[in-house]
Amino acid sequence: DSGVTQTPKHLITATGQRVTLRCSPRSGDLSVYWYQQSLDQGLQFLIQYYNGEERAKGNILERFSAQQFPDLHSELNLSSLELGDSALYFCASSDRGFWSGYTFGSGTRLTVV
Amino acid sequence: DQQVKQNSPSLSVQEGRISILNCDYTNSMFDYFLWYKKYPAEGPTFLISISSIKDKNEDGRFTVFLNKSAKHLSLHIVPSQPGDSAVYFCAASGASGGGADGLTFGKGTHLIIQP
Repeated sequence: DSGVTQTPKHLITATGQRVTLRCSPRSGDLSVYWYQQSLDQGLQFLIQYYNGEERAKGNILERFSAQQFPDLHSELNLSSLELGDSALYFCASSDRGFWSGYTFGSGTRLTVV
Repeated sequence: DQQVKQNSPSLSVQEGRISILNCDYTNSMFDYFLWYKKYPAEGPTFLISISSIKDKNEDGRFTVFLNKSAKHLSLHIVPSQPGDSAVYFCAASGASGGGADGLTFGKGTHLIIQP
């Protein structure tokens, strides 16, 4: 157990729907990062939050949004889902940036049918 | 445009021998590099990192080498053990300010250690 908790582990939904993925960071970590891993792709950085505020944005679609709450858990909202959004979504947390490596959760596998 | 490339999708090595995983990058702004290891159904786990001010970093059986002029880094595992069988991701960052901006990952190399 890495200490980063992602729920749900699996999600199957239809095109056009909206889903919310949840992440609880490791205790004490203020930064949360979201990554997407599509089939045969490396992990693509989506967005970073630090202590409740957006810190950096990567290749995140406008249909996707995220937030980090006062208790530091984070949610990634995916709307108007398309077949191509099917992927593994990873959350990671850190206490001081990437220097010592992030701690990743085990991911949420999203399947859009 | 892929800025971090791992050109070998898979690599098979005999137990006890050296495993060498390679990674190339194109963005000269990258100044910090990391290797992650991933088992099925788990998230990636941090292995080792190197800053661009160094050309080598060692941690037990794992050594990362950085050749800045060639924009190339490699991960050496010696001796290779069965538990090393996993997918290895190379990652890079240009944000030496500590945490802002995400990492750019390669597609990974699946290392298989043969008994």
